[in-house]
Amino acid sequence: GENVEQHPSTLSVQEGDSAVIKCTYSDSASNYFPWYKQELGKGPQLIIDIRSNVGEKKDQRIAVTLNKTAKHFSLHITETQPEDSAVYFCAAAPYNNNDMRFGAGTRLTVKP
Amino acid sequence: SAVISQKPSRDICQRGTSLTIQCQVDSQVTMMFWYRQQPGQSLTLIATANQGSEATYESGFVIDKFPISRPNLTFSTLTVSNMSPEDSSIYLCSVEDATNEKLFFGSGTQLSVL
Repeated sequence: GENVEQHPSTLSVQEGDSAVIKCTYSDSASNYFPWYKQELGKGPQLIIDIRSNVGEKKDQRIAVTLNKTAKHFSLHITETQPEDSAVYFCAAAPYNNNDMRFGAGTRLTVKP
Repeated sequence: SAVISQKPSRDICQRGTSLTIQCQVDSQVTMMFWYRQQPGQSLTLIATANQGSEATYESGFVIDKFPISRPNLTFSTLTVSNMSPEDSSIYLCSVEDATNEKLFFGSGTQLSVL
């Protein structure tokens, strides 16, 4: 089955800097790659996603890039703000959501 | 996206007891899932809740321990049976939005077993 690895496990940046979180996956059949943000005491919130027919997608300060050849994808957050502090999870789904597998998570801290 | 209501939001339970978690969606959805998130860990799929039939469990999870009901397209329950401290986790309900096939999560149930 699919195996997703996520790095780094923790990331601390200064407000205004950029943050990058990277994930690799093992199943070449994976074609859907969402990113979730989880704040303390809340469920994961879908913040951006990308499908395998696209190499990059951007939504305001958040962008995701996908390299299918290398089987890795990344989340980029620019101009970070303290409210970006949370745990971020990447995921990969080969066929449908039943098969979606999540990375171990990255705890992002943005220092004011 | 669908609005997912999950309750209770948290509970503290005694060893050997059972807890039933409810998940209500404001629209009909085909796919509903239950996840477990152990402290400081990632999300692990417990089972797919199938409407009108038995749930489909992932490896390592069994019906006797985690019975699931799905009486209709908007509601599901997960029971954590004969609890032990190792069952202390966040349990999350999730649904697949039929219009875009994206996965959305409820706010979770924080379970502590003493």
